[in-house]
Amino acid sequence: DAGITQSPRHKVTETGTPVTLRCHQTENHRYMYWYRQDPGHGLRLIHYSYGVKDTDKGEVSDGYSVSRSKTEDFLLTLESATSSQTSVYFCAISESSGNTIYFGEGSWLTVV
Amino acid sequence: DAKTTQPPSMDCAEGRAANLPCNHSTISGNEYVYWYRQIHSQGPQYIIHGLKNNETNEMASLIITEDRKSSTLILPHATLRDTAVYYCIVRVGGAGAQKLVFGQGTRLTINP
Repeated sequence: DAGITQSPRHKVTETGTPVTLRCHQTENHRYMYWYRQDPGHGLRLIHYSYGVKDTDKGEVSDGYSVSRSKTEDFLLTLESATSSQTSVYFCAISESSGNTIYFGEGSWLTVV
Repeated sequence: DAKTTQPPSMDCAEGRAANLPCNHSTISGNEYVYWYRQIHSQGPQYIIHGLKNNETNEMASLIITEDRKSSTLILPHATLRDTAVYYCIVRVGGAGAQKLVFGQGTRLTINP
């Protein structure tokens, strides 16, 4: 398995609170991604990073921000969590463009 | 939007070959076909990918038609642990992040 660790794995939070999910990799891969998965929607890309301090938006980026200050860590922040952000969040990595993308085990977030 | 079409569900008997079809009629010449699977709510697991030629690894075989408009993933001797949702994905993007766009996938059930 690719060396990807997501934390926390499970979290329950209240509406309006900030939440940060962390993705840590030990593979020294350049590219990192955040996806969310919801019933009926499959996996959708939120944000991705192609290097330290280099990030870009995916298809469902509203309400989310990311940061990558080190190669190994990619943080996803919900500035003010809403119930619509209740989801399973997956981090993924790839060595370079064109290489296989590997996924973490997911973080379950419930916003009440 | 996903560029692939898959049947929503399929059944296969344990020990038999499972053949999962995928249509990608608008695929571009430099786009790869990737297959992932997701067991329960685990992170998507990479299976195989290809461009033009047929590919085989320890998990599966990938058959791509000559016109590249469709492909078939073959699990040669399906086991109960192969029950999962299988995603056929055309990899989009240029020199950047090479994002994955997921469709709804095929729910494969292996029956004893």
